[in-house]
Amino acid sequence: GQQLNQSPQSMFIQEGEDVSMNCTSSSIFNTWLWYKQDPGEGPVLLIALYKAGELTSNGRLTAQFGITRKDSFLNISASIPSDVGIYFCAGIGPRLTGGGNKLTFGTGTQLKVEL
Amino acid sequence: DVKVTQSSRYLVKRTGEKVFLECVQDMDHENMFWYRQDPGLGLRLIYFSYDVKMKEKGDIPEGYSVSREKKERFSLILESASTNQTSMYLCASSVQSGGSNEQYFGPGTRLTVT
Repeated sequence: GQQLNQSPQSMFIQEGEDVSMNCTSSSIFNTWLWYKQDPGEGPVLLIALYKAGELTSNGRLTAQFGITRKDSFLNISASIPSDVGIYFCAGIGPRLTGGGNKLTFGTGTQLKVEL
Repeated sequence: DVKVTQSSRYLVKRTGEKVFLECVQDMDHENMFWYRQDPGLGLRLIYFSYDVKMKEKGDIPEGYSVSREKKERFSLILESASTNQTSMYLCASSVQSGGSNEQYFGPGTRLTVT
């Protein structure tokens, strides 16, 4: 299946720095989701975006739904050690048979924070 | 809070065994999904269900089957486990309609087939 192009693949930053990552697609999506996954755990939903141009915050996290509907961005301000993990974007594509919405996932950005 | 639970966090099975992975959600969600996650391949959809007793194939259904007898429970079955089914298995659920399309994931089951 298709995967969204997510960059950077990994980041090694200093505590307190701001972080930016993005996700791009050749297809238009109606919804963008951002997840964080800790090692050995399931992904946890961070932010959901439903409208082109929308900017949504969740604490130190801010995400944007690109105007073209083909991209999304996630920013983390003032990173802390517990921000370590893998961040995934996901786009909602065409509706599945009988309902439900299929997620197309990004390739993930691994974030490492140096104290 | 949405809660999705999976029956086991870690499982070790032998080749040829029949394996059941159970998933339960407590938010009355209509949709449930099974994914597997492998390094370099990301999350891949195995099967999903949008209602009790309804199921649809995802991207990689071969070697798997599912069962949804109750709304809150979605089971993934490996009829005859093989080593290439060693993976992290993730269950998710979401509402059927309306503006909210978010999928909520369980903690995962790491399955090793020897």
